[in-house]
Amino acid sequence: QVTLKESGPGILQPSQTLSLTCTFSGFSLSTYGMGVGWIRQPSGKGLEWLANIWWDDDKYYNPSLKNRLTISKDTSNNQAFLKITNVDTADTATYYCARIEGIIRGTDWFAYWGQGTLVTVSS
Amino acid sequence: DIRMTQSPASLSASLGETVNIECLASEDIYSDLAWYQQKPGKSPQLLIYNANSLQNGVPSRFSGSGSGTQYSLKINSLQSEDVATYFCQQYNNYPLTFGSGTKLEIK
Repeated sequence: QVTLKESGPGILQPSQTLSLTCTFSGFSLSTYGMGVGWIRQPSGKGLEWLANIWWDDDKYYNPSLKNRLTISKDTSNNQAFLKITNVDTADTATYYCARIEGIIRGTDWFAYWGQGTLVTVSS
Repeated sequence: DIRMTQSPASLSASLGETVNIECLASEDIYSDLAWYQQKPGKSPQLLIYNANSLQNGVPSRFSGSGSGTQYSLKINSLQSEDVATYFCQQYNNYPLTFGSGTKLEIK
């Protein structure tokens, strides 16, 4: 059974660095073809893809966030991470991690999602 | 970036009706399209991938079609549990992009 769960700080101040953790089970990010992505959703709004990381440590980022994103993984502990530097109020959103279903690049749809973690940026 | 234009933004239909939601890509995405359903307060759930492949466990009243730049999600025999917001997503090219969503309500 595939499960994912996000964790984060809940609230942080502008200019700080947001660190998110996705802890998953039912698959391994060291297995050929596996990948995890991060997607966020401001309250009442649409979905925005942030980054993907694959089993071979290949990484893809949304250029709209310029160089603020860093995605990484810890295969031993079945975790994936996302850092966003220099946050501001526009980064307030629910952050989801999800398993990529295709096994090759270009097959990045998501069948398994975590419950999401709400992050509020406020001074 | 590939822009996904979804329509309508909201939709009200009666139980048992058939509804269609459209997604227009700004360029050819070669059927690299998924549809998701998101109920209030919940995570998105995958309905369709590769434009027309039904995800395991999804009721057969949901179907997807389209090619090139035009895609649609069809819901037959609308049920009360179908009240949700629906999103399309292209994965033909990075950055992955989503449509703005269609909120479906029961009339």
